[in-house]
Amino acid sequence: KNQVEQSPQSLIILEGKNCTLQCNYTVSPFSNLRWYKQDTGRGPVSLTIMTFSENTKSNGRYTATLDADTKQSSLHITASQLSDSASYICVVSGYNNAGNMLTFGGGTRLMVKP
Amino acid sequence: GAGVSQTPSNKVTEKGKYVELRCDPISGHTALYWYRQSLGQGPEFLIYFQGTGAADDSGLPNDRFFAVRPEGSVSTLKIQRTERGDSAVYLCASSRDSESNEAFFGQGTRLTVV
Repeated sequence: KNQVEQSPQSLIILEGKNCTLQCNYTVSPFSNLRWYKQDTGRGPVSLTIMTFSENTKSNGRYTATLDADTKQSSLHITASQLSDSASYICVVSGYNNAGNMLTFGGGTRLMVKP
Repeated sequence: GAGVSQTPSNKVTEKGKYVELRCDPISGHTALYWYRQSLGQGPEFLIYFQGTGAADDSGLPNDRFFAVRPEGSVSTLKIQRTERGDSAVYLCASSRDSESNEAFFGQGTRLTVV
């Protein structure tokens, strides 16, 4: 069964600090992996996409890594801001009989405190 | 439209009643997903449409849940004989096609069954 596990479930950091969120997956065959940010009361919004051949990709203060061999990804947030407080969801795409399907992780709830 | 629109934004219903949740995807998006999200959890897959057909409905929890997309655009999620356990945020997402898996999400419908 395709699964995506994220850790930690929740995290509290001080403004200006860095943090790293983890995502492990068992989706196969693998197509790509996206990190989404979900603000409270909103739908998830894509931050970055990682394909099989990519190891690192940055989007501003967000840097995602992917190790396709160990099936692990991380999202590193640098110099955190209060607006980074949100849930971060790892979503893995893999082809099945129905086409390109998305498997969601449970998310990491990040709170940035002043 | 500019984004995925879901109506209503909030719905309170009595146990045992029937409800319909509507999703207007981004114009031209052929893939449409329904997810259910409980508080503090990641989205849980319900059903995926490619065009008018339900390509994968394996996430529907039981036969009280049904979804349609008769013209390949607007979709309606229907829940019969609602139960308190159905209370959640129901998210809809669309993507350009099943290959381009950046899913754009609506803000969700918060369903409360009392």
